[in-house]
Parts: sequence; structure tokens; C-alpha cells
Amino acid sequence: KNEVEQSPQNLTAQEGEFITINCSYSVGISALHWLQQHPGGGIVSLFMLSSGKKKHGRLIATINIQEKHSSLHITASHPRDSAVYICAVRIPSNTGKLIFGQGTTLQVKP
Amino acid sequence: DGGITQSPKYLFRKEGQNVTLSCEQNLNHDAMYWYRQDPGQGLRLIYYSQIVNDFQKGDIAEGYSVSREKKESFPLTVTSAQKNPTAFYLCASSRSGGVRETQYFGPGTRLLVL
Repeated sequence: KNEVEQSPQNLTAQEGEFITINCSYSVGISALHWLQQHPGGGIVSLFMLSSGKKKHGRLIATINIQEKHSSLHITASHPRDSAVYICAVRIPSNTGKLIFGQGTTLQVKP
Repeated sequence: DGGITQSPKYLFRKEGQNVTLSCEQNLNHDAMYWYRQDPGQGLRLIYYSQIVNDFQKGDIAEGYSVSREKKESFPLTVTSAQKNPTAFYLCASSRSGGVRETQYFGPGTRLLVL
């Protein structure tokens, strides 16, 4: 079993829908990252969380440390949100090492 | 513009050949990382470096080598010992290797074996 599991693996939505991507992890962490990978392959960091909730535009990320679970929400989804969304956890060490989920491929149709 | 550059975007390797992937950053970051991404799998850490002239093996270092002679550069060599090199390779950097640091990623290099 992977230490970081994302669900669903693939997600198709209609423009305007509210989207939720989930991430569960089984290790102790110091922080959790949500990343976005565009079709060309480049990766952009969306959020880094260690507790609670963060919001940026139409994106909201939450984390529940006790339940070892995080969610990424997209409100009013748009075709330009189509990408692979990756959850990564940082283990409590001085190396900055990240453990990555396998990614969720999101397609938003117009 | 500050950022991370990787070159080339696509690289072809013949059997038995060593190839080197370039990663350069002008963010003045101390820490740099190399990841490998395979379809349907999460990124896996190959090597990382927290400071110039020092680097450590990640989870899948066999068949790879790195150097960190300059702060801004962290080239990855895929040696002939790497039997399954076809993958997408991502370089990243962070201000330090600390637990609160965000990693910034390059655009990636796709390596294909002929």
C-alpha cells in the first residue's frame, strides 16, 4: 500500500461543477503539499498546509491531521483547471523529502 | 525571470549510452532535487543535494549519478546501468532542505530509449 493515496485517480466534470480531490496518508508528516501538473509536464505548487484550511481564488485546501486526510476543492470549475493534481507529504526530517501520491487526472468539459 | 530550467525537453538514449540531464536554477536556492515520474505512479526521489559539493541518494538512485559543483547547477547522469530509463525527469529546488520550504519544479525532461 502506498504511503500517500489519492482518490479518485481520474475525474471528469462539467464546467461550473464543484470538484473535490482527496488525499490520505499513513505516515507522520510535517506538511502537505498540493501540486498541479499541466499537460506539458511542468509542476506548480498550489498549497502547503500543516493545519486547517487555505484558500486561493477558486481553490480551497483542507487538512485533518488526526484523520491523516486532506482535500483539494475547486469551485466553479473551468476547462483551464484540467490538469493532474498531486498530493505530496513532507516527512519530519531535515532533508525536505517529499512522498508523492500518484496524482488525480482532472478533465473539465465546457 | 527567476526559475528552474531543464534541458533538453526531450532526450533520446541508445542502449549502453550514458546521458546527462541539465538542471539550472537562478533562485539562489541551497537545496536541489531530482525526481522520476512514471505513468500511474507518484514522483520518486532519485538524488538530492542540500548544499554545494554534497548530495545524498534518494529512493531509486541505482543507475544514476549526480554532481553539485555549483550552487545553481545539479546535473543528473543516467548511466547504462539504469535498465529502464524511459521516464519523465523533474528537477526541483528549495531555499533550504527545511520542513517549511516549498519546492519549485522545472519543466521536466522526457527521456526515451531508442
